Amino acid sequence: DVKVTQSSRYLVKRTGEKVFLECVQDMDHENMFWYRQDPGLGLRLIYFSYDVKMKEKGDIPEGYSVSREKKERFSLILESASTNQTSMYLCASNGGNSPLHFGNGTRLTVT
Amino acid sequence: GIQVEQSPPDLILQEGANSTLRCNFSDSVNNLQWFHQNPWGQLINLFYIPSGTKQNGRLSATTVATERYSLLYISSSQTTDSGVYFCAVDYSGGGADGLTFGKGTHLIIQP
Repeated sequence: DVKVTQSSRYLVKRTGEKVFLECVQDMDHENMFWYRQDPGLGLRLIYFSYDVKMKEKGDIPEGYSVSREKKERFSLILESASTNQTSMYLCASNGGNSPLHFGNGTRLTVT
Repeated sequence: GIQVEQSPPDLILQEGANSTLRCNFSDSVNNLQWFHQNPWGQLINLFYIPSGTKQNGRLSATTVATERYSLLYISSSQTTDSGVYFCAVDYSGGGADGLTFGKGTHLIIQP
């Protein structure tokens, strides 16, 4: 079974803090993704990566950056957290044209 | 970008009932996937179905790519089927550009 692991289930941070969300997959997938999910807005793609050290902007990249130094790990960085970044963050991975698998999600609250 | 519309937005059924969820998309797609998000927020991949019909237990899905829609059938519903069902499409090919999600169908199965 594919396993996508997100480092934290719940996270509370203060406005202005730098926040790191970590995601690790164990299936040697080339592609990794970060989505955020908000009520009424559904799932929106923030960033994705199709190879080590490669990254592409999704639909809502503003205020975020990412890092992929190793194939199995994809990190989402909030450079200076703001209250409008309070959300559920979901990491996912797949290999080419294959089913997408999600982690359990990190519910981030910025106060 | 591509539009993905799901219907109905909400559905309440008694245990044992059957249901059909619909997903319409506005452009040609390379693949289509169905997901179930349980009440704890976990997103589970149900089907990878760019075309044709697949079955998995009480669930089945059909995609008619030429007419730009997909249907998810749930038979003999159980309370554990409750949650939100998402349809998601990839219209750019290669699987590495991320999926575009519909807003989901919120299903409640009452005992």
